Amino acid sequence: QQPVQSPQAVILREGEDAVINCSSSKALYSVHWYRQKHGEAPVFLMILLKGGEQMRHEKISASFNEKKQQSSLYLTASQLSYSGTYFCASHTSGSRLTFGEGTQLTVNP
Amino acid sequence: DAGVIQSPRHEVTEMGQEVTLRCKPISGHDYLFWYRQTMMRGLELLIYFNNNVPIDDSGMPEDRFSAKMPNASFSTLKIQPSEPRDSAVYFCASSLGGYTDTQYFGPGTRLTVL
Repeated sequence: QQPVQSPQAVILREGEDAVINCSSSKALYSVHWYRQKHGEAPVFLMILLKGGEQMRHEKISASFNEKKQQSSLYLTASQLSYSGTYFCASHTSGSRLTFGEGTQLTVNP
Repeated sequence: DAGVIQSPRHEVTEMGQEVTLRCKPISGHDYLFWYRQTMMRGLELLIYFNNNVPIDDSGMPEDRFSAKMPNASFSTLKIQPSEPRDSAVYFCASSLGGYTDTQYFGPGTRLTVL
């Protein structure tokens, strides 16, 4: 079952913050977050495991709420280099790793 | 390490032809994944291997698709015969620990079937 990401697109000015959500209809074992720039391969940001801690990659952090079956990605003080499409991928019981449709993030000067 | 290596980077072929995509994972990684990315369907996991053995091929769309991993440093994804709807970017990724570990993606092969 594909996780649902929201919002579908975000436009920010440099220095602003953003939150991207990833929800699953099933209990989550793990959530992966990736960023993909146009014409390039996805690049790993972080993994959140069931029962694990909140993770951080530079000024990007993520949380994992097992009860809500949801993960959120927090981008703080956004930089131009943050622009791209952010994907979450969920691993749930009895299922393969499934990617969400992506959230397109644009950071303008 | 050079990272995950894929070849060719671009492939243009005609409908009905056989296509073979190649991947060399990062040395020491026990897991290898094949993905397909299209605008319509997004990023889909096709198949993955653990220690050269196919573990989950439920994402392989049809019998026209097959994947092999003859050794720890090489895998192929073959489409025979190819169809225009197979046009996509195909990524190979490798990791140490499967779903609970970082996946490192190769640069991808952009396949166009005319």
